[in-house]
Amino acid sequence: DTEVTQTPKHLVMGMTNKKSLKCEQHMGHRAMYWYKQKAKKPPELMFVYSYEKLSINESVPSRFSPECPNSSLLNLHLHALQPEDSALYLCASSQGGAGTYEQYFGPGTRLTVT
Amino acid sequence: AQSVTQPDIHITVSEGASLELRCNYSYGATPYLFWYVQSPGQGLQLLLKYFSGDTLVQGIKGFEAEFKRSQSSFNLRKPSVHWSDAAEYFCAVDSSGGYQKVTFGIGTKLQVIP
Repeated sequence: DTEVTQTPKHLVMGMTNKKSLKCEQHMGHRAMYWYKQKAKKPPELMFVYSYEKLSINESVPSRFSPECPNSSLLNLHLHALQPEDSALYLCASSQGGAGTYEQYFGPGTRLTVT
Repeated sequence: AQSVTQPDIHITVSEGASLELRCNYSYGATPYLFWYVQSPGQGLQLLLKYFSGDTLVQGIKGFEAEFKRSQSSFNLRKPSVHWSDAAEYFCAVDSSGGYQKVTFGIGTKLQVIP
């Protein structure tokens, strides 16, 4: 199984709402990532978790709060977002540990903030 | 700082014609290089990667890429393009020394005409 799943596929939320994005993988990977991708732009790294610990935070605003409850799950909690946060949010996973490994991406969650 | 340049934003080729997508990187040491493909509204799929060794790497879907250190390039090629190859192609580099921090190029959108 080389699949990364993301739920929901689409999400519309108001600026005062609280919502969460979920990502799951069962490949035994120990590194998981959140990316943000605006239309016609490349993915931009937001967070990296390695062995369930946050290892990289690319100066992301605190209205985005990541969580890694276990090695298979990655959540992104959203609160008080702005319309400019509307984007495709991609989750990825990789083998992790020392070295560089290819990342496997989920299909993404299309987020619209109204 | 590492960077990736994809000089062609948009390329149109006829079905059955050959394809070359350009990628240049900026990094002092040998980087870890990737090509990903993204269909509209979808996640990214890895086509191929270069870490070391043979500079001509084969990937999925009939794609190949050649690493040329002297030109700081990692161009993607396919001898005969199929209509299903129409998508966005991203070159990416990880020069973080094993910290899984990947930087993507701006992408090249490939259009295939019958």
